[in-house]
Formats: sequence, structure tokens, C-alpha cells
Amino acid sequence: DAGVIQSPRHEVTEMGQEVTLRCKPISGHNSLFWYRQTMMRGLELLIYFNNNVPIDDSGMPEDRFSAKMPNASFSTLKIQPSEPRDSAVYFCASSFDRGADEKLFFGSGTQLSVL
Amino acid sequence: QKEVEQNSGPLSVPEGAIASLNCTYSDRGSQSFFWYRQYSGKSPELIMSIYSNGDKEDGRFTAQLNKASQYVSLLIRDSQPSDSATYLCAVLHEKLTFGTGTRLTIIP
Repeated sequence: DAGVIQSPRHEVTEMGQEVTLRCKPISGHNSLFWYRQTMMRGLELLIYFNNNVPIDDSGMPEDRFSAKMPNASFSTLKIQPSEPRDSAVYFCASSFDRGADEKLFFGSGTQLSVL
Repeated sequence: QKEVEQNSGPLSVPEGAIASLNCTYSDRGSQSFFWYRQYSGKSPELIMSIYSNGDKEDGRFTAQLNKASQYVSLLIRDSQPSDSATYLCAVLHEKLTFGTGTRLTIIP
């Protein structure tokens, strides 16, 4: 298995532009997570899906952020409009099931820079 | 108070010595505890999980859990330069919450 696949690896954009990050989870995993990592705040959970349904989006910073999971093999995180404070590394992770044994497999991340 | 707290470091340990990483958490209902390792510029990867009080050993790694004190630790024996990384403590109760990590440097 190729693991969790994220694209793009790097994204540089200007303030106000729309940004779309993409993720393909490991086949057979039914939970998908979007995290944001910064030096100051560490890894923060933005949203997670179980069986393609959003379960907890309390970590989404504001209405500028939205996430979708149209099927079991694809998810997107969209920021519109983007702001410089959104600059961070965004990780997608998947797991086999949501339970006590929360073993997450992370993608390589998207380094987002908003100028 | 942060939900999961770690000393940010950096923690410098001579090669061959024992590295000790600590983590405290605030939610007494937490049920599962994890240590992830993250190399610079890479993604986190799970190295240890522990669910009950006591020690759990896996090779050179030992995880320790004390629920009464709300304390989790990771010991790395015979530290190697390849152990130099940031170590993230993660605690599960309804959702997985990560600490900000401890940066560990093994000095040859």
C-alpha cells in the first residue's frame, strides 16, 4: 500500500486566493483526519470523518475552512479566502477504526505558505 | 492549562545514554496513550502505545503510564543519533490530542 497520499507537497499562494488540499487515505481505512501543525500550537485536529461522514469539525478555525469526503478514497480541505495566518503544514491521516487503539497513519503533509 | 503538556526541549543526550521524555495530561477520562516520532520535515509515525498503568517495552523503547499522576513517559535506551527527532505525546479521550512535542538530540 502506498500509504496516505497528499497533494500538493508545497503550496505558495497570495492572500485572498482559494487553496485546496487533497488526500487519499489508505485503502480499507474508515476514519480520516485533517491536522494543522505550527511551531506555536503543535498538531491541531481540524476535522475528522468516519465512513465519509464528518463527525467532529470543532477544530475548524472559521468559516473560511471547509472539508469534504465525497467517497472513501478522497478528501479535500479548502481555505477560501486564504490569509497569512493560515501558513502551516497540513497533514491528513487515516486509521482503520475509531476506537481505543487510535493508530494514525499520516501523509507527507502539505506545506502551505500564504503571502 | 493545556490538555497535553510536554517540555519542548531541546533535550540533548549523549549517544548510548538513556533519553527520558515526559508528558502530562489533564483529562482523567483518557483511555489510551501514544508516542509518535517526527523527524524534521517529515510526518509523525507511531512508535509506542500504552493503555494500562505500568511499563511497556518494545526493543530499546519503554513507555510508562501512571494514570493516578496523569503522567506518561518514554524511555529510549542506548540512544542512537538516528533517535534525534521530535517526540509527540498523544492522549485519547473522545478525540486524539497531541502535545507540542519534545525535540531530542543525540550527541555522538
